[in-house]
Amino acid sequence: EAGVAQSPRYKIIEKRQSVAFWCNPISGHATLYWYQQILGQGPKLLIQFQNNGVVDDSQLPKDRFSAERLKGVDSTLKIQPAKLEDSAVYLCASSPIRGGSPLHFGNGTRLTVT
Amino acid sequence: AQSVTQPDIHITVSEGASLELRCNYSYGATPYLFWYVQSPGQGLQLLLKYFSGDTLVQGIKGFEAEFKRSQSSFNLRKPSVHWSDAAEYFCAVGPNYGGSQGNLIFGKGTKLSVKP
Repeated sequence: EAGVAQSPRYKIIEKRQSVAFWCNPISGHATLYWYQQILGQGPKLLIQFQNNGVVDDSQLPKDRFSAERLKGVDSTLKIQPAKLEDSAVYLCASSPIRGGSPLHFGNGTRLTVT
Repeated sequence: AQSVTQPDIHITVSEGASLELRCNYSYGATPYLFWYVQSPGQGLQLLLKYFSGDTLVQGIKGFEAEFKRSQSSFNLRKPSVHWSDAAEYFCAVGPNYGGSQGNLIFGKGTKLSVKP
């Protein structure tokens, strides 16, 4: 099966600019996650979707981050305006709904904010 | 508070030697437990998981992990390390309920280097 696809792989922007990341999950996976992985740390959940509804966005900085999953398939994560501390790898993951299913991760988008 | 601690930031072992990576967790209930591996520039790949039952779980690439409830630990082991095992390893915990997996909490990772 095809894996989780993310684009772009790398992005460099200046602070206060905006940026968007795209994710296409594994076909049939109802649950989609965006994680932020800062250098030297483990991934931290930003937002979880089930189909096209938000399950958990408690750790999403909503003043600057937004995410959507139209039609319950692809998802876009946006940052506007970006700050230096947003430099990180943004990982998208997907899983089936059934309990205990492992997450399948994409290769991530490495964002550098200068 | 829910947390995962991986006490070793960086470990170096010789090829062919045994390996143990430590993981301790703090969680309000019996969690799901996972080990993921991340190679440079790649996403995370699941090595193994523990949900219930036998506390010694086998994973891919010859890895195993043992859940010790009394010690709140889930250490990863491999009897003989290969050079291709050099990567970063993450322990994670998640809620143990019947629905979707929910929020995984990751440790900070242990970077494994393998010397010839």
